[in-house]
Amino acid sequence: DADVTQTPRNRITKTGKRIMLECSQTKGHDRMYWYRQDPGLGLRLIYYSFDVKDINKGEISDGYSVSRQAQAKFSLSLESAIPNQTALYFCATSAGTSDTDTQYFGPGTRLTVL
Amino acid sequence: GQNIDQPTEMTATEGAIVQINCTYQTSGFNGLFWYQQHAGEAPTFLSYNVLDGLEEKGRFSSFLSRSKGYSYLLLKELQMKDSASYLCAVMDSNYQLIWGAGTKLIIKP
Repeated sequence: DADVTQTPRNRITKTGKRIMLECSQTKGHDRMYWYRQDPGLGLRLIYYSFDVKDINKGEISDGYSVSRQAQAKFSLSLESAIPNQTALYFCATSAGTSDTDTQYFGPGTRLTVL
Repeated sequence: GQNIDQPTEMTATEGAIVQINCTYQTSGFNGLFWYQQHAGEAPTFLSYNVLDGLEEKGRFSSFLSRSKGYSYLLLKELQMKDSASYLCAVMDSNYQLIWGAGTKLIIKP
């Protein structure tokens, strides 16, 4: 079974709709992240959470919000989707207990906003 | 600003050796990561360097020079399954990862 799962895997929506992307992990990690990936660009951090009560904005948080429902769950919401939010979205986790703090990624959600 | 540079695309032959370079300018340095990403899939961790020198892991090796802001990933005995994008990422002074755009590696028979 995958350690980091994302639902849905693919989503097509219309401009103005509210949508939620969900991430769950069984790795027991405290830290969780949401990234988006666009062709020709590096991964860009949207939000991150170091524990259930700690939520931080990343590089490109405008137009997004998050909820950390439990240690294992971190959801990303687009309040009113727009076409330039069409991208591949990844959730990641890390233990935060070592110097390396390696991040482990979910399979991604491909979002298309029409 | 913070910047990670790596070539957009490289081509190599099955069985050969290829070196993918990464240069960086970041606010602080707490380690450099290499990830592999097959098309449409999640990035997967390959290596981590925080001290100068070469780290070897099977067919893959990663090198770091902090004074030059430079790293490379060396792939030996290339196999067709190595066709993927290779992402360089630096952990900055705030312990956040700054990502390069990735190098698409094409392996030809």
